[in-house]
Amino acid sequence: DAMVIQNPRYQVTQFGKPVTLSCSQTLNHNVMYWYQQKSSQAPKLLFHYYDKDFNNEADTPDNFQSRRPNTSFCFLDIRSPGLGDAAMYLCATSSQRGGHYNEQFFGPGTRLTVL
Amino acid sequence: AQRVTQPEKLLSVFKGAPVELKCNYSYSGSPELFWYVQYSRQRLQLLLRHISRESIKGFTADLNKGETSFHLKKPFAQEEDSAMYYCALAPNGGATNKLIFGTGTLLAVQP
Repeated sequence: DAMVIQNPRYQVTQFGKPVTLSCSQTLNHNVMYWYQQKSSQAPKLLFHYYDKDFNNEADTPDNFQSRRPNTSFCFLDIRSPGLGDAAMYLCATSSQRGGHYNEQFFGPGTRLTVL
Repeated sequence: AQRVTQPEKLLSVFKGAPVELKCNYSYSGSPELFWYVQYSRQRLQLLLRHISRESIKGFTADLNKGETSFHLKKPFAQEEDSAMYYCALAPNGGATNKLIFGTGTLLAVQP
């Protein structure tokens, strides 16, 4: 089945130690998103790639970076994780053409713990 | 400011009772509104969108621009409806590829 895959499902890192979360998709969608969801809060968009174009949200901390080496893969890099970065990280994809919204397909998420 | 508000964290009803999950939004332009659902141990998925004007799994939602609301309704709740429901807004009808989510409402349908 075509889907959005996130690895690992659970990630534990130490305070200040760089960590990378990965997302892959078999849907061939041109847009990929990263959301952060803290406990009891709404998913919050960090950034997205429209094809190869990177779009950062204005309030996304510089500590968060992303890479998209090809259509299928997208990575979230946290350069120096703090305790406040512990959250569920959701990857999503959509097929966007012509400025019209299309459904976003979500991965299962990676739960990040910072010790 | 662009904001989606879901005032209820938890809504508990009995099977067969009507359900209304509330959603209000704050947006000055022309939004597109959605309901996403997350069943236990499953990923977040689209339930319905206002422009489709369709009923999915018995759920409907009407966009009320005057009241800036997009409440989700179902006349008779089923146990399998138990899930986390998120209301979401796409600014400019989706042109920015952005979704703004509410904090979600956990619907618990009791037998």
